[in-house]
Amino acid sequence: QVQLQESGPGLVKPWETLSLTCTVSGYSISSDYYWGFIRQPPGKGLEWIGSISHSGITYYNPSLKSRVTISVDATKHQFSLKLTSVTAADAAMYFCARERTIAVAGTSFDYWGHGTLVTVSS
Amino acid sequence: ERVMTQSPATLSVSPGERATLSCRASESVSNNLAWYQQKPGQAPRLLIYGASTRATGIPARFSGSGSGTEFTLTISSLQSEDFAVYHCQQYNNWPLTFGQGTKVEIK
Repeated sequence: QVQLQESGPGLVKPWETLSLTCTVSGYSISSDYYWGFIRQPPGKGLEWIGSISHSGITYYNPSLKSRVTISVDATKHQFSLKLTSVTAADAAMYFCARERTIAVAGTSFDYWGHGTLVTVSS
Repeated sequence: ERVMTQSPATLSVSPGERATLSCRASESVSNNLAWYQQKPGQAPRLLIYGASTRATGIPARFSGSGSGTEFTLTISSLQSEDFAVYHCQQYNNWPLTFGQGTKVEIK
């Protein structure tokens, strides 16, 4: 059973960098799937942030691309998100998830973490 | 960017009744459309992909249809556990985009 778990600070100061890690268990992150981050502001819809392959190929949402970096560390079974210069607009529940279709980037997401709430405040 | 618009925002339905949810794409997304169910405090759960294919373990009362720009999720007979928010997502074009969600509530 694939399991994903987000971790990272729940509180980030304005203009600082948000850093989250997603740990994958029950399945090899080195398999030929893509792994992604999605966020959801309180009471709002879902926004795809970006996705990464086990080899480090990345796809980002253009609306966030200038501030986002997603990386992978297969030895730790983890992939990570860095979002720079955060503002109140970046406060949200952040989810990590696996894309459903093997060897294809940009599909639906079949396994999700529980999510971690990030607040932006000084 | 493909903008996904869901309607209605809220749907009030009695248990046992049929629920019909709509999702419209600003431009064609072919059949590259997924539906998710999200309950309060939980992650989304994949219900449908390819516009009409049920994901593993999803009951047959959930069905999806449509292609191009118009899509429908139908829940044939609402069970108590089906009251939730439903999201559509297109994956035909970058960036991947979601609708704003439809809340299905008890009438």
